[in-house]
Amino acid sequence: DTGVSQNPRHKITKRGQNVTFRCDPISEHNRLYWYRQTLGQGPEFLTYFQNEAQLEKSRLLSDRFSAERPKGSFSTLEIQRTEQGDSAMYLCASSSSSHRYNEQFFGPGTRLTVL
Amino acid sequence: DQQVKQNSPSLSVQEGRISILNCDYTNSMFDYFLWYKKYPAEGPTFLISISSIKDKNEDGRFTVFLNKSAKHLSLHIVPSQPGDSAVYFCAASMNYGGSQGNLIFGKGTKLSVKP
Repeated sequence: DTGVSQNPRHKITKRGQNVTFRCDPISEHNRLYWYRQTLGQGPEFLTYFQNEAQLEKSRLLSDRFSAERPKGSFSTLEIQRTEQGDSAMYLCASSSSSHRYNEQFFGPGTRLTVL
Repeated sequence: DQQVKQNSPSLSVQEGRISILNCDYTNSMFDYFLWYKKYPAEGPTFLISISSIKDKNEDGRFTVFLNKSAKHLSLHIVPSQPGDSAVYFCAASMNYGGSQGNLIFGKGTKLSVKP
């Protein structure tokens, strides 16, 4: 399977705990995006990498959120000191900058539940 | 302020008939528009796209129409099938200059195709 993969698919945690999600993009894609989706809403952009460089992070929801893509391949999204309001689906998407238009392909998402 | 709007939360059509899903946008700088289909507990799946230099793009049963002057696009599905039942998201992006090409989504329209 050469699609975008995300792990874990589901994560239940207690308020105040830290969580980390992983995204493996399509191998030839150099762009990687993180989005968050809450009930009844469309996905909301969080951050963007081109290769290993994080080119946009101002949309991260608070300083508790951080993302890395250390070698320009997989990426991780970490949420520190989770709050109940962080409960959502976290989506990763990848695309190629060699394409004129930015057609993004999404992974299955990680469903976070904060108790 | 929502830049991409899908004003119909739900749509129900009979199998074999046409489904028309609508989307409006406010930012005239968008140059690429996409439709994604989403099943519960899965990530969005890319369906069809259109660039701002075109007014129509067709792929099998799916056709997207773009009316730039009205800042409106629509997705036509003909004929509709029960397997098309899902939530459909309209998304837009800017892909020039220093823009990072992140997608801005509408809230989605839930399509139900009845046998």
